[in-house]
Amino acid sequence: SQTIHQWPATLVQPVGSPLSLECTVEGTSNPNLYWYRQAAGRGLQLLFYSVGIGQISSEVPQNLSASRPQDRQFILSSKKLLLSDSGFYLCAWSEAGGGSRPTEAFFGQGTRLTVV
Amino acid sequence: GEDVEQSLFLSVREGDSSVINCTYTDSSSTYLYWYKQEPGAGLQLLTYIFSNMDMKQDQRLTVLLNKKDKHLSLRIADTQTGDSAIYFCAETPSNDYKLSFGAGTTVTVRA
Repeated sequence: SQTIHQWPATLVQPVGSPLSLECTVEGTSNPNLYWYRQAAGRGLQLLFYSVGIGQISSEVPQNLSASRPQDRQFILSSKKLLLSDSGFYLCAWSEAGGGSRPTEAFFGQGTRLTVV
Repeated sequence: GEDVEQSLFLSVREGDSSVINCTYTDSSSTYLYWYKQEPGAGLQLLTYIFSNMDMKQDQRLTVLLNKKDKHLSLRIADTQTGDSAIYFCAETPSNDYKLSFGAGTTVTVRA
């Protein structure tokens, strides 16, 4: 069966420090991968999505970046965190195929990031 | 702006019906989804509807789709305390892979 792992669960970082959140998927190959941020009162915002190794689409310009060094690994990074980067970050995967057929997205448990 | 819009809050009495509304902008979306997020957890798929359907029923859940107005709704019959959660509608355009969510509607069920 497929599983998704996201860590750490909680993180407190000072302003200006770097960030690296990692997400890995098991039990599937060539998944679509997503990073979302859920900020209080602002819903679920798509940050990045990837349809393959090294292929990253950015939805929102900001000081975050994403990388996909391996097929089932998706990393969210920042060189210098801002206070506004605080939020709940969710990684998700879905089967390849896009909008041509129904595809369920499976979410990790999330990382609560607090920038202080 | 947002591709998918939802009202933010809904309060409903236990046993009543809940109706959560959503509007989307991409007319090429072939599938529209409803997800549920319980406190402190990730999202889980509740149901979906194909864009050439008007209605889909799944036990206590009824999804209505008005393609002309780009309006999607989720009705929960006999709402229970366990239905308290945030509900997100989502779309995937037929020519893209991104999965876009609305802001989420927080449903609170009161006794």
